[in-house]
Amino acid sequence: SAVISQKPSRDICQRGTSLTIQCQVDSQVTMMFWYRQQPGQSLTLIATANQGSEATYESGFVIDKFPISRPNLTFSTLTVSNMSPEDSSIYLCSVAYTNTEAFFGQGTRLTVV
Amino acid sequence: RKEVEQDPGPFNVPEGATVAFNCTYSNSASQSFFWYRQDCRKEPKLLMSVYSSGNEDGRFTAQLNRASQYISLLIRDSKLSDSATYLCVVNAGFKTIFGAGTRLFVKA
Repeated sequence: SAVISQKPSRDICQRGTSLTIQCQVDSQVTMMFWYRQQPGQSLTLIATANQGSEATYESGFVIDKFPISRPNLTFSTLTVSNMSPEDSSIYLCSVAYTNTEAFFGQGTRLTVV
Repeated sequence: RKEVEQDPGPFNVPEGATVAFNCTYSNSASQSFFWYRQDCRKEPKLLMSVYSSGNEDGRFTAQLNRASQYISLLIRDSKLSDSATYLCVVNAGFKTIFGAGTRLFVKA
């Protein structure tokens, strides 16, 4: 299993600004995942964060908008850049081992005004 | 076609009812299957894994049919506390795909 600490838990931000979300895992993991969950929707994978290489982004998500850092095997950050109200969502970090369940951070509830 | 599709819901059932959720997946290479529960404003949490032989955990029974690429969850004797969104989740290697979720409301 894995225990994941994610912060901030919530924030209200002005449009045009950026927010960096941090995710700390209590054990070393090869891959960390960042998801977005918009109101009333399920989870959508934004990108996979690999240690030592660039993140792999899913269709519809780009590095300029969602830059990701993965400096070591227990930590990752996701930045939501140049925010607009459409970015208001819950952002979740996750880890999973091969073919096992996924473990989630507590989520960051972002509201852009 | 979505990679994981679930019943649209919502399901509104009285306490004590039996309710079944269905899910289909498109990637035949998928190897692991799960049902997650997500309460309002909370992160998803694992409810149970799903095995080909079927498995039961108290009032919850999960079934997997690999040939039909179909997963089900049965909840017996529903409780008010079962009200939540149930997510069908499929893994292929490291890639985890979530269904859109089915909302369940259990009423007194």
